[in-house]
Amino acid sequence: SQQGEEDPQALSIQEGENATMNCSYKTSINNLQWYRQNSGRGLVHLILIRSNEREKHSGRLRVTLDTSKKSSSLLITASRAADTASYFCATAVTGKLIFGQGTTLQVKP
Amino acid sequence: DTEVTQTPKHLVMGMTNKKSLKCEQHMGHRAMYWYKQKAKKPPELMFVYSYEKLSINESVPSRFSPECPNSSLLNLHLHALQPEDSALYLCASSPWGQMNTEAFFGQGTRLTVV
Repeated sequence: SQQGEEDPQALSIQEGENATMNCSYKTSINNLQWYRQNSGRGLVHLILIRSNEREKHSGRLRVTLDTSKKSSSLLITASRAADTASYFCATAVTGKLIFGQGTTLQVKP
Repeated sequence: DTEVTQTPKHLVMGMTNKKSLKCEQHMGHRAMYWYKQKAKKPPELMFVYSYEKLSINESVPSRFSPECPNSSLLNLHLHALQPEDSALYLCASSPWGQMNTEAFFGQGTRLTVV
């Protein structure tokens, strides 16, 4: 079974708005990672947050991690049409990278 | 070079065919992975190779046979597949097998079984 659940499953916003995606997981983790996938092709790594970290920033991305609630969120600020993609959280557990169900983001110009 | 290269990009095969998917990386990574992804679903882990040895097999049917000839190459041999095996097959690599850092993914092979 998949480790992570994400919500919302789909999100549609206007360019310039912020997008927030949430991820919940079930077991203890070493780290949690976020990936982007365009049009069903390869995944691109966005950001990694370790289990002893609470918040991390990378450009327009902000990730938080709450290990007590087993949840994480990804915030994309000032979204662009090029951010349209599927976003997956992935948890690293005993050598495996297990993906959540994903959020499909559409950014309208 | 931070690329993972997968060939072919597309593959159509019959249920009696034998084919192979190839994956190559030159980043010196010692862990390599095969994932299967169905449409509108997340990638599902199939196999993990760590230091050229198979370390994880997620109960994958034997019609899928992985091979790691050397530290840069990973193959997935396909035989007697079923139409439900049609999917995007993704290869990934990471510096070592504990997933303490990011994984690099190839663009995938889109497989259709007819």
